[in-house]
Amino acid sequence: LAKTTQPPSMEAYEGQEVNVSCSHTNIATSEYIYWYRQVPHQGPQFIIQGYKDYVVNEVASLFISADRKLSTLSLPWVSLRDAAVYYCIVTGWTGGYKVVFGSGTRLLVSP
Amino acid sequence: ETAVFQTPNYHVTQVGNEVSFNCKQTLGHDTMYWYKQDSKKLLKIMFSYNNKQLIVNETVPRRFSPQSSDKAHLNLRIKSVEPEDSAVYLCASSSGTEVFFGKGTRLTVV
Repeated sequence: LAKTTQPPSMEAYEGQEVNVSCSHTNIATSEYIYWYRQVPHQGPQFIIQGYKDYVVNEVASLFISADRKLSTLSLPWVSLRDAAVYYCIVTGWTGGYKVVFGSGTRLLVSP
Repeated sequence: ETAVFQTPNYHVTQVGNEVSFNCKQTLGHDTMYWYKQDSKKLLKIMFSYNNKQLIVNETVPRRFSPQSSDKAHLNLRIKSVEPEDSAVYLCASSSGTEVFFGKGTRLTVV
């Protein structure tokens, strides 16, 4: 059973900033938050991960609420290539990593 | 370039046949997974192996069986496939944080 809740879809225009939210109300203290995206005919690709506060890399930024129950993936200046399904997952070490995906957020980008 | 390699890319077979999918990772990871992605794009974990040992076995039909010869290989065998087995099967590996996925094997059962 997926432990995250995301909006099923979002739409944006090229050049806009897109914020994708994810709710993980039962996140454990040992768990981290990961974001992946998947384009057609490819496996999911890692975007960013975080535990708390704010994380940024060359692709995206991730804001995590103080209680860690909500995270927001921010994609600056989206292009047509960013059209994909974005998955938020939470997982931690329990003798191995059990990575469970929810249904994701489908991002549609228009020119 | 992906470091998790799956074969075949596609497979079409008839109901009742047996199929095997291969997966190899060259990342030196200890943990490998098999996921099933259905027509609704939901990714469901099927199996997880850590150093050749099964650690996660979700509720999947008995006709599915994972096979691991070493920690770099995790194959999936399906005995007597059924129509609902049509899906994309994704293999993945992990060092404990980031998970790397293969491109998947699309199975069509006719």
